[in-house]
Amino acid sequence: DQQVKQNSPSLSVQEGRISILNCDYTNSMFDYFLWYKKYPAEGPTFLISISSIKDKNEDGRFTVFLNKSAKHLSLHIVPSQPGDSAVYFCAAKPGGATNKLIFGTGTLLAVQP
Amino acid sequence: NAGVTQTPKFQVLKTGQSMTLQCAQDMNHEYMSWYRQDPGMGLRLIHYSVGAGITDQGEVPNGYNVSRSTTEDFPLRLLSAAPSQTSVYFCASSYSGLTTSGGTSTDTQYFGPGTRLTVL
Repeated sequence: DQQVKQNSPSLSVQEGRISILNCDYTNSMFDYFLWYKKYPAEGPTFLISISSIKDKNEDGRFTVFLNKSAKHLSLHIVPSQPGDSAVYFCAAKPGGATNKLIFGTGTLLAVQP
Repeated sequence: NAGVTQTPKFQVLKTGQSMTLQCAQDMNHEYMSWYRQDPGMGLRLIHYSVGAGITDQGEVPNGYNVSRSTTEDFPLRLLSAAPSQTSVYFCASSYSGLTTSGGTSTDTQYFGPGTRLTVL
C-alpha cells in the first residue's frame, strides 16, 4: 500500500511559467515532508521541506504548500527554468521515527525552452 | 568534502553470488541509510543506522545485511544475489538537529551517486 503518492508520472511546462507538482499521503502520523530533485545517473538532492505545524515554506523560486486536512502537499516552482528538468520525489517522515523516510514514486518535470 | 561516496558505480552479478556495496561519508553524520530505487516504486528503505554499532531494518530488508563499525562507513551486503535485487542502490547520511521549518534535520538526508546492480 503506497502511503505517499505522486499520481502524475510526468509534467511538461514552458520556461518562465509555474510548475506545480503534487503529492498525496494517507498516514496522518507523518510530521515532516520533503521534496528531492534527481537528475539521471545522480543521487537525489534535497530541495525544500515543511513541518506539519506549518502550511507553507518558501525558498527562492521554490514553495511547498501543505494541506493537512486534505493530506496533500504541492511544490511550486516559479519561474520554471530548463535546468529544473528532473525527477521530483516527495517524501514523508512518520512522527517519532528517526532517519526513516517514505518516498513517492516521482514526477518527471520537463521545462521546455 | 566528498560528501557521500559509493562504490562500485556499476556491477553485474550472477544469481547466487555475494557482494558488498560500499558507502562512506566524510561529514561526521550520525545517521546512514540504504535505499533501492525501482521503476514505478520510488525509493524504498532497506536498512538504516543511527550510530556506530546500531542498525535496524527498513521496508525491504530481506536478502541484505549491514553493519556499522565506524561513523564513516556503512556497507550493504548481498548474501546470495537474486534477479529481484536488480536495482539502483543509494546510500544516504544525515545528522540530528532542528531545522528552521520546525522539523529535525535527521530527516534531510544527503544521498550518494548510486550503484546500478544487475543480477543475471
